[in-house]
Amino acid sequence: EDKVVQSPLSLVVHEGDTVTLNCSYEVTNFRSLLWYKQEKKAPTFLFMLTSSGIEKKSGRLSSILDKKELFSILNITATQTGDSAVYLCAVEARGADGLTFGKGTHLIIQP
Amino acid sequence: SQTIHQWPATLVQPVGSPLSLECTVEGTSNPNLYWYRQAAGRGLQLLFYSVGIGQISSEVPQNLSASRPQDRQFILSSKKLLLSDSGFYLCAWSYMRTNYGYTFGSGTRLTVV
Repeated sequence: EDKVVQSPLSLVVHEGDTVTLNCSYEVTNFRSLLWYKQEKKAPTFLFMLTSSGIEKKSGRLSSILDKKELFSILNITATQTGDSAVYLCAVEARGADGLTFGKGTHLIIQP
Repeated sequence: SQTIHQWPATLVQPVGSPLSLECTVEGTSNPNLYWYRQAAGRGLQLLFYSVGIGQISSEVPQNLSASRPQDRQFILSSKKLLLSDSGFYLCAWSYMRTNYGYTFGSGTRLTVV
């Protein structure tokens, strides 16, 4: 059974801090790992990672995948209160439909 | 551009009552469609997915069923709700597993009382 474990489950930091969110996984026939940001309703897509060692970057957010050690990290630099959200990690397997999600990291940015 | 609509946004239903949640996609054809549930303190759990009209695959045995009567319409149903059916239900679509991931609807918060 595919499995995704995120850590920490919750994190409180101050504005301007840098945070690193972790995601480890076990999946048969890995195809991709995805990060989503969920504020109040629909998760919004951040990154899809398929290859090891290639950093994906969008503004202050970046993510990288290690397929040998089976984990990914999501970095957020110079955090802002608008970054407060639940960050979800999910994996997709080849030949399967749908995603397997972790429980998410609840990130709170204090002003 | 593609959009996904899901309704209602919130729903309070008594135990034993039926359920029907609808999801429609615009701007694409032959999407893969998914129903997820997010219970308190848990991750999103895949309930059903569909790769075409009338084709439904169930991931988890439960009190729910799904149907796809049209290419861009996906319906989640129950004949008799249980308290444990409470949760946040999300519809999602993908097309050929693009590099843009899966796109989610705005969700339905269901409370069974």
